[in-house]
Amino acid sequence: GAGVSQSPRYKVAKRGQDVALRCDPISGHVSLFWYQQALGQGPEFLTYFQNEAQLDKSGLPSDRFFAERPEGSVSTLKIQRTQQEDSAVYLCASSSRGRHAGELFFGEGSRLTVL
Amino acid sequence: GDSVTQMEGPVTLSEEAFLTINCTYTATGYPSLFWYVQYPGEGLQLLLKATKADDKGSNKGFEATYRKETTSFHLEKGSVQVSDSAVYFCARTNNNNDMRFGAGTRLTVKP
Repeated sequence: GAGVSQSPRYKVAKRGQDVALRCDPISGHVSLFWYQQALGQGPEFLTYFQNEAQLDKSGLPSDRFFAERPEGSVSTLKIQRTQQEDSAVYLCASSSRGRHAGELFFGEGSRLTVL
Repeated sequence: GDSVTQMEGPVTLSEEAFLTINCTYTATGYPSLFWYVQYPGEGLQLLLKATKADDKGSNKGFEATYRKETTSFHLEKGSVQVSDSAVYFCARTNNNNDMRFGAGTRLTVKP
């Protein structure tokens, strides 16, 4: 597709379940970012990939959060043993340039609700 | 620490009214500044940007000027339309060039 695609759009999980959120960036984009957006807040940085290399994971809130991009295209954000505070919209963004490019192209997000 | 502070919403205007959404930032160094917009049911998309002091970003009738002396990047539009109803996010790159966002301002334009 022409844009960044994320799936699922909506996910409801019981506390303690593991979830996996997928991001399909724009073809050829080297940079990929994950953000977490709580209700009424702006996106908060989680992690950054340049191709398959995870260059920054400083924003991941705990070791329950794990992201990968094994072939430098599709990325998966995995959350283990979900907690209620993990409820948020998870945004994926990609860029054709390096980290310093500025303009990011966002997907529509995956809304996670943990009961 | 580094942050972006923008005007709290929601903002409700009548069509053709003048819009200002304030944004200020804290920074060390020389960040680039951005406004992103999120229309209902869509992902965030870049509205405009400015990469150095005194630059003016503009798009779709919106403007914002990078003011280093006041550390501001206020968004303005002279005459809003119903189709401008959306959430607007001010953002900046920080020292590591990560994009940091404000909390967002919801704009509703009534006919």
